Amino acid sequence: AQSVTQPDIHITVSEGASLELRCNYSYGATPYLFWYVQSPGQGLQLLLKYFSGDTLVQGIKGFEAEFKRSQSSFNLRKPSVHWSDAAEYFCAVGAQGSARQLTFGSGTQLTVLP
Amino acid sequence: NAGVTQTPKFQVLKTGQSMTLQCAQDMNHNSMYWYRQDPGMGLRLIYYSASEGTTDKGEVPNGYNVSRLNKREFSLRLESAAPSQTSVYFCASSASQGNNSPLHFGNGTRLTVT
Repeated sequence: AQSVTQPDIHITVSEGASLELRCNYSYGATPYLFWYVQSPGQGLQLLLKYFSGDTLVQGIKGFEAEFKRSQSSFNLRKPSVHWSDAAEYFCAVGAQGSARQLTFGSGTQLTVLP
Repeated sequence: NAGVTQTPKFQVLKTGQSMTLQCAQDMNHNSMYWYRQDPGMGLRLIYYSASEGTTDKGEVPNGYNVSRLNKREFSLRLESAAPSQTSVYFCASSASQGNNSPLHFGNGTRLTVT
Protein backbone atom coordinates (compact mmCIF):
# COMPACT_ATOMS: atom_id res chain seq x y z
CA ALA A 1 0.00 0.00 0.00
CA GLN A 2 1.13 3.51 -0.69
CA SER A 3 1.98 5.86 2.13
CA VAL A 4 3.36 9.33 2.75
CA THR A 5 5.41 10.49 5.72
CA GLN A 6 5.98 14.10 6.63
CA PRO A 7 8.43 13.83 9.53
CA ASP A 8 8.09 17.42 10.74
CA ILE A 9 4.80 18.26 12.40
CA HIS A 10 5.72 21.90 12.97
CA ILE A 11 8.50 24.10 11.54
CA THR A 12 9.31 27.68 12.49
CA VAL A 13 11.45 29.92 10.30
CA SER A 14 12.21 33.62 10.21
CA GLU A 15 10.95 35.72 7.35
CA GLY A 16 13.55 35.81 4.60
CA ALA A 17 15.11 32.50 5.62
CA SER A 18 15.15 29.46 3.38
CA LEU A 19 12.71 26.61 3.85
CA GLU A 20 12.73 22.89 3.24
CA LEU A 21 9.77 20.67 4.10
CA ARG A 22 10.39 16.95 3.98
CA CYS A 23 8.24 14.31 2.35
CA ASN A 24 8.99 10.61 2.05
CA TYR A 25 6.72 8.23 0.19
CA SER A 26 6.25 4.54 -0.31
CA TYR A 27 4.85 3.46 -3.66
CA GLY A 28 5.42 0.41 -5.83
CA ALA A 29 5.50 2.08 -9.23
CA THR A 30 6.36 5.51 -10.55
CA PRO A 31 4.43 7.86 -8.32
CA TYR A 32 2.46 10.97 -9.01
CA LEU A 33 3.56 13.44 -6.32
CA PHE A 34 1.92 16.63 -5.13
CA TRP A 35 2.33 19.41 -2.63
CA TYR A 36 -0.75 21.25 -1.39
CA VAL A 37 -0.97 24.28 0.90
CA GLN A 38 -3.81 25.03 3.29
CA SER A 39 -4.17 28.55 4.67
CA PRO A 40 -6.23 28.99 7.84
CA GLY A 41 -9.93 28.48 7.20
CA GLN A 42 -9.35 27.58 3.58
CA GLY A 43 -9.34 24.49 1.46
CA LEU A 44 -6.20 22.97 0.00
CA GLN A 45 -4.54 24.60 -2.98
CA LEU A 46 -2.16 22.81 -5.33
CA LEU A 47 1.40 24.19 -5.17
CA LEU A 48 3.08 21.84 -7.61
CA LYS A 49 3.07 18.32 -8.97
CA TYR A 50 5.50 15.78 -10.41
CA PHE A 51 4.53 13.15 -12.92
CA SER A 52 7.67 12.50 -14.96
CA GLY A 53 10.59 14.24 -16.63
CA ASP A 54 12.73 16.86 -14.92
CA THR A 55 13.03 15.92 -11.27
CA LEU A 56 13.07 19.56 -10.15
CA VAL A 57 9.62 21.05 -10.52
CA GLN A 58 8.56 24.64 -10.09
CA GLY A 59 5.29 25.65 -8.55
CA ILE A 60 3.31 28.69 -7.63
CA LYS A 61 4.34 31.26 -5.02
CA GLY A 62 8.06 30.65 -5.62
CA PHE A 63 8.07 27.05 -4.37
CA GLU A 64 9.97 24.18 -5.93
CA ALA A 65 10.32 20.49 -5.14
CA GLU A 66 12.82 17.83 -6.09
CA PHE A 67 11.95 14.20 -6.75
CA LYS A 68 14.67 11.82 -5.59
CA ARG A 69 13.76 8.27 -6.49
CA SER A 70 16.75 6.75 -4.66
CA GLN A 71 15.63 8.39 -1.43
CA SER A 72 11.88 8.09 -2.03
CA SER A 73 11.62 11.77 -1.27
CA PHE A 74 9.88 14.80 -2.67
CA ASN A 75 11.00 17.74 -0.53
CA LEU A 76 9.52 21.20 -0.90
CA ARG A 77 11.81 24.24 -0.89
CA LYS A 78 11.65 27.98 -1.02
CA PRO A 79 14.73 30.24 -1.00
CA SER A 80 13.19 33.10 0.98
CA VAL A 81 10.05 32.72 3.06
CA HIS A 82 7.42 35.46 3.30
CA TRP A 83 5.04 35.95 6.23
CA SER A 84 2.16 35.01 3.95
CA ASP A 85 3.65 31.50 3.56
CA ALA A 86 2.51 30.60 7.08
CA ALA A 87 0.13 27.70 6.50
CA GLU A 88 -0.10 23.93 6.63
CA TYR A 89 1.57 21.98 3.86
CA PHE A 90 0.55 18.53 2.67
CA CYS A 91 2.45 16.11 0.51
CA ALA A 92 0.45 13.51 -1.43
CA VAL A 93 1.20 10.48 -3.60
CA GLY A 94 -1.05 8.84 -6.14
CA ALA A 95 -1.35 6.62 -9.15
CA GLN A 96 -1.69 7.90 -12.68
CA GLY A 97 -5.24 7.01 -13.40
CA SER A 98 -7.06 7.59 -10.19
CA ALA A 99 -7.30 10.62 -7.95
CA ARG A 100 -9.44 8.52 -5.62
CA GLN A 101 -6.26 6.66 -4.66
CA LEU A 102 -4.44 9.81 -3.63
CA THR A 103 -2.83 9.43 -0.21
CA PHE A 104 -2.08 12.53 1.83
CA GLY A 105 0.58 12.99 4.46
CA SER A 106 -0.34 14.27 7.89
CA GLY A 107 0.89 17.77 7.15
CA THR A 108 3.58 20.20 8.32
CA GLN A 109 2.50 23.41 10.01
CA LEU A 110 4.76 26.34 9.06
CA THR A 111 5.12 29.35 11.34
CA VAL A 112 6.97 32.41 10.01
CA LEU A 113 8.55 34.80 12.51
CA PRO A 114 8.86 38.50 11.63
CA ASN B 1 -15.40 32.73 -9.86
CA ALA B 2 -16.75 30.70 -6.92
CA GLY B 3 -15.04 27.36 -7.65
CA VAL B 4 -16.19 24.82 -5.03
CA THR B 5 -18.76 26.03 -2.52
CA GLN B 6 -19.60 24.14 0.67
CA THR B 7 -22.42 24.79 3.10
CA PRO B 8 -22.65 25.13 6.00
CA LYS B 9 -19.27 26.37 7.27
CA PHE B 10 -19.91 25.22 10.81
CA GLN B 11 -22.35 22.77 12.39
CA VAL B 12 -22.91 21.29 15.83
CA LEU B 13 -24.97 18.12 16.12
CA LYS B 14 -26.06 15.93 18.96
CA THR B 15 -25.34 12.22 18.76
CA GLY B 16 -27.98 10.52 16.63
CA GLN B 17 -29.01 13.58 14.67
CA SER B 18 -28.79 13.63 10.91
CA MET B 19 -27.62 16.27 8.50
CA THR B 20 -26.54 16.82 4.91
CA LEU B 21 -23.44 18.69 3.83
CA GLN B 22 -23.85 20.44 0.52
CA CYS B 23 -21.23 20.95 -2.17
CA ALA B 24 -21.49 22.63 -5.54
CA GLN B 25 -18.89 23.39 -8.20
CA ASP B 26 -19.16 25.77 -11.13
CA MET B 27 -16.16 24.57 -13.14
CA ASN B 28 -18.04 21.93 -15.16
CA HIS B 29 -15.93 19.22 -13.54
CA ASN B 30 -16.84 15.58 -13.96
CA SER B 31 -15.41 14.17 -10.73
CA MET B 32 -16.22 15.15 -7.18
CA TYR B 33 -14.94 13.95 -3.79
CA TRP B 34 -15.63 14.14 -0.08
CA TYR B 35 -12.73 14.07 2.38
CA ARG B 36 -12.48 14.35 6.11
CA GLN B 37 -9.52 15.97 7.83
CA ASP B 38 -8.55 14.98 11.36
CA PRO B 39 -5.58 16.30 13.33
CA GLY B 40 -2.36 14.48 12.52
CA MET B 41 -3.99 12.30 9.86
CA GLY B 42 -4.07 14.32 6.68
CA LEU B 43 -7.11 13.95 4.44
CA ARG B 44 -8.98 10.70 4.00
CA LEU B 45 -11.39 10.00 1.17
CA ILE B 46 -14.95 9.20 2.25
CA TYR B 47 -16.74 8.88 -1.10
CA TYR B 48 -16.19 10.03 -4.62
CA SER B 49 -18.12 10.40 -7.83
CA ALA B 50 -16.13 9.82 -11.00
CA SER B 51 -18.91 11.24 -13.14
CA GLU B 52 -22.54 12.24 -12.92
CA GLY B 53 -24.65 9.26 -11.96
CA THR B 54 -21.88 7.26 -10.28
CA THR B 55 -20.63 7.12 -6.72
CA ASP B 56 -18.11 4.86 -5.01
CA LYS B 57 -16.73 4.30 -1.53
CA GLY B 58 -13.40 5.69 -0.51
CA GLU B 59 -11.18 4.82 2.42
CA VAL B 60 -13.61 5.68 5.27
CA PRO B 61 -17.24 5.40 4.04
CA ASN B 62 -18.89 3.92 7.14
CA GLY B 63 -21.60 6.15 8.59
CA TYR B 64 -21.97 8.27 5.46
CA ASN B 65 -24.02 8.34 2.29
CA VAL B 66 -23.67 10.52 -0.78
CA SER B 67 -25.79 11.75 -3.64
CA ARG B 68 -24.53 13.11 -6.94
CA LEU B 69 -27.59 15.23 -7.59
CA ASN B 70 -26.36 16.52 -10.95
CA LYS B 71 -23.05 17.44 -12.49
CA ARG B 72 -22.64 20.46 -10.19
CA GLU B 73 -23.74 19.08 -6.83
CA PHE B 74 -22.47 16.31 -4.56
CA SER B 75 -23.93 16.00 -1.07
CA LEU B 76 -22.75 14.05 1.95
CA ARG B 77 -25.27 12.76 4.49
CA LEU B 78 -24.78 11.64 8.04
CA GLU B 79 -27.83 9.58 8.98
CA SER B 80 -27.04 9.17 12.67
CA ALA B 81 -24.13 11.33 13.76
CA ALA B 82 -21.54 9.97 16.18
CA PRO B 83 -18.79 11.80 18.11
CA SER B 84 -16.22 9.98 15.93
CA GLN B 85 -17.55 11.97 12.99
CA THR B 86 -16.36 15.23 14.53
CA SER B 87 -14.03 16.49 11.84
CA VAL B 88 -13.50 19.04 9.10
CA TYR B 89 -15.09 17.94 5.85
CA PHE B 90 -13.81 19.02 2.46
CA CYS B 91 -15.44 18.68 -0.89
CA ALA B 92 -13.24 18.70 -3.98
CA SER B 93 -13.69 18.44 -7.71
CA SER B 94 -11.53 17.69 -10.71
CA ALA B 95 -12.05 17.70 -14.46
CA SER B 96 -11.51 13.95 -14.54
CA GLN B 97 -10.58 11.27 -12.05
CA GLY B 98 -7.03 10.95 -13.30
CA ASN B 99 -4.22 12.58 -11.38
CA ASN B 100 -3.46 14.75 -14.39
CA SER B 101 -6.47 16.80 -13.29
CA PRO B 102 -5.71 18.71 -10.11
CA LEU B 103 -8.16 18.75 -7.24
CA HIS B 104 -9.98 21.98 -6.42
CA PHE B 105 -11.12 22.18 -2.81
CA GLY B 106 -13.89 24.01 -1.03
CA ASN B 107 -13.23 25.86 2.22
CA GLY B 108 -14.55 23.07 4.41
CA THR B 109 -17.31 22.39 6.92
CA ARG B 110 -16.30 22.11 10.57
CA LEU B 111 -18.61 19.58 12.22
CA THR B 112 -18.80 18.88 15.93
CA VAL B 113 -20.88 15.99 17.27
CA THR B 114 -21.57 16.08 21.01
